[in-house]
Amino acid sequence: GENVEQHPSTLSVQEGDSAVIKCTYSDSASNYFPWYKQELGKGPQLIIDIRSNVGEKKDQRIAVTLNKTAKHFSLHITETQPEDSAVYFCAASYKAAGNKLTFGGGTRVLVKP
Amino acid sequence: EPEVTQTPSHQVTQMGQEVILRCVPISNHLYFYWYRQILGQKVEFLVSFYNNEISEKSEIFDDQFSVERPDGSNFTLKIRSTKLEDSAMYFCASSEGGDRTGELFFGEGSRLTVL
Repeated sequence: GENVEQHPSTLSVQEGDSAVIKCTYSDSASNYFPWYKQELGKGPQLIIDIRSNVGEKKDQRIAVTLNKTAKHFSLHITETQPEDSAVYFCAASYKAAGNKLTFGGGTRVLVKP
Repeated sequence: EPEVTQTPSHQVTQMGQEVILRCVPISNHLYFYWYRQILGQKVEFLVSFYNNEISEKSEIFDDQFSVERPDGSNFTLKIRSTKLEDSAMYFCASSEGGDRTGELFFGEGSRLTVL
């Protein structure tokens, strides 16, 4: 089955700096790669996703890149703010509707004011 | 904004007892899921449910687990005889299905503590 590895496990950045989180996946059939943000005491919330027919996607201060050949994808957060502090999870899926997500281990991001 | 709601937020139970976790998915969604997260570990898929039947389940989802959609709104996870290792945060999720490639909306979770 699919295996998703995520690095780093913790990331501390100064407010205003950029944060980058990287994930690799094992199943070349995976075609959907979402990123979730989990704040303390809450469930994961989708922040951005990318499908395998696209190499890059951007939404304001966050962007995701996908390298299908190397089977890795990354989350980039620019101009970090204290409210970006949370745990971020990458995930991969090979199905369309009704998909089963395989999650990475999570990255705890701390943005220091 | 529509959201997935889960009850209870926290349940403490004795080993061997039955537990039912409840979820109300987003009303127009067709696919429903349970995931769990043991403290400090990855979020793990348990089961997906569509058209009133299980569409996929993981190896974790053994005979002690069952899911049900007893009415038009609730989606439940039952653990028949809880074990210590069932202690985890259980997340319910739903997705619209159709042409959308599976954006999952998660609830806030039910924390299960088995003593």
